[in-house]
Amino acid sequence: DADVTQTPRNRITKTGKRIMLECSQTKGHDRMYWYRQDPGLGLRLIYYSFDVKDINKGEISDGYSVSRQAQAKFSLSLESAIPNQTALYFCATSDGTSGSETQYFGPGTRLLVL
Amino acid sequence: GQNIDQPTEMTATEGAIVQINCTYQTSGFNGLFWYQQHAGEAPTFLSYNVLDGLEEKGRFSSFLSRSKGYSYLLLKELQMKDSASYLCACSPWGKLQFGAGTQVVVTP
Repeated sequence: DADVTQTPRNRITKTGKRIMLECSQTKGHDRMYWYRQDPGLGLRLIYYSFDVKDINKGEISDGYSVSRQAQAKFSLSLESAIPNQTALYFCATSDGTSGSETQYFGPGTRLLVL
Repeated sequence: GQNIDQPTEMTATEGAIVQINCTYQTSGFNGLFWYQQHAGEAPTFLSYNVLDGLEEKGRFSSFLSRSKGYSYLLLKELQMKDSASYLCACSPWGKLQFGAGTQVVVTP
């Protein structure tokens, strides 16, 4: 079984709809992250959480919110989707202990906003 | 803030060697990562350098010079399956800041 899973894998929605992307991990890591990837722009950090009670904005948090329901679960919500939020979204986890900042990525969610 | 630069695309022949350069300007530097990403798939970890010098791992090697803000990823004995995007990332304050990626195309 995959260590980091994301649901759904693909989603088509309409402008103005609220949607939630979910991420679960079995790695036992405290740190979780949400990124979006657009062609030519690389991966950009949306939100990150260093433990269950910690939520931090990344470089492009506008229009997004997150919830850390448990150590293993980190959800990303688009309150009112817009077309420029069409992108590939990745969740990632890391151990966070000294020397272990390597991040491990889920398979991604491809989102299309019409 | 962070600024990470790497070439957009490189082409090389199967069996050859390719070197992907990455320059960075960042505050709170705590290491340099390289990831491989095949089209439509998740990035996968390749290497991590925190000290100056060369780290070798099979066909892949990564080099870091902290004083110069410079790293490279060396891919030897290229195989067709190495065609992918290679992402350079800096690690400031427990987060990763990614470059836009270098698309490597391996030709027969």
